[in-house]
Amino acid sequence: DIQMTQSPSTLSASVGDRVTISCRASQTISSWLAWYQQKPGKAPKLLIYDASSLESGVPSRFSGSGSETEFTLTISGLQPDDFATYYCQQYIGNLGTFGQGTKVEIK
Amino acid sequence: EVELLESGGGLVQPGGSLRLSCAASGFTFSSYAMSWVRQAPGKGLEWVSAISASGGGTYYADSVKGRFTISRDNSKITLYLQMNTLRAEDTAIYYCAKDSGDTPSNYFLLWGQGTQVTVSS
Repeated sequence: DIQMTQSPSTLSASVGDRVTISCRASQTISSWLAWYQQKPGKAPKLLIYDASSLESGVPSRFSGSGSETEFTLTISGLQPDDFATYYCQQYIGNLGTFGQGTKVEIK
Repeated sequence: EVELLESGGGLVQPGGSLRLSCAASGFTFSSYAMSWVRQAPGKGLEWVSAISASGGGTYYADSVKGRFTISRDNSKITLYLQMNTLRAEDTAIYYCAKDSGDTPSNYFLLWGQGTQVTVSS
C-alpha cells in the first residue's frame, strides 16, 4: 500500500500569513493527488485535484504543486475561514489513501 | 441540489451488524463510482470501500475485507454498506463520497454529512 505522510501535524499561524503544508508519498504517484479541507463536525471539502488543479469555487489563495512523491499545499494570505485540518489523498490505485492530516490553528 | 445523505448508523454490540445507506440527489448517480470513507474519533480519514458506477467492480480496505459489503441500486439512486462482525475499532463516522469518474481511483467531488457508527457492549 502507498503511505502518505504530511508535515507538520500542527501549524500555528496568523491571519495574512503564507502557509505551506507538505505531503510525501512512499512511492511515485505521478500527479494523482488531492487536497481536502475539514472543519470540526463537518465533512471534508475538495480543494485541489491532480496535484495543482483548483476545484471550482475554491478561493485562488489555495494552490497545489509537486509531482511523483513530493507535494505542497500553499495558502497565500491565511483567512479566518481557513483555520481547519487539511488532508492529502493519493488516488493512483483503487485503494486511495490519506495523509494523517495537518491542523492549521490560530497563533 | 447536489447532495448525499447517509443513514443507518447507530450503537451496535461487538459481533453485530449494521447496514448503512446513502441517498443521492442532484446528479446522474449511475455515472459515478462511489466510496465509503470513515473517520474514527479524533483521527484522520480512512478509505473503506468503493464501487464502480455499474456496480460491477468492488474494492475494500484490508481492515474490512470479508466483513463489509458495498453495493448500489442505481434505480433507487442509493449506495449501501453492509457491515458484519463489527469490532470496536470500526467505531467511526462513515461518509459516503462521490468519485470524480465512473471507476474508483479518483478524488472525491462530494461528501455526505456522515453517519455515526459506535461498536460497544
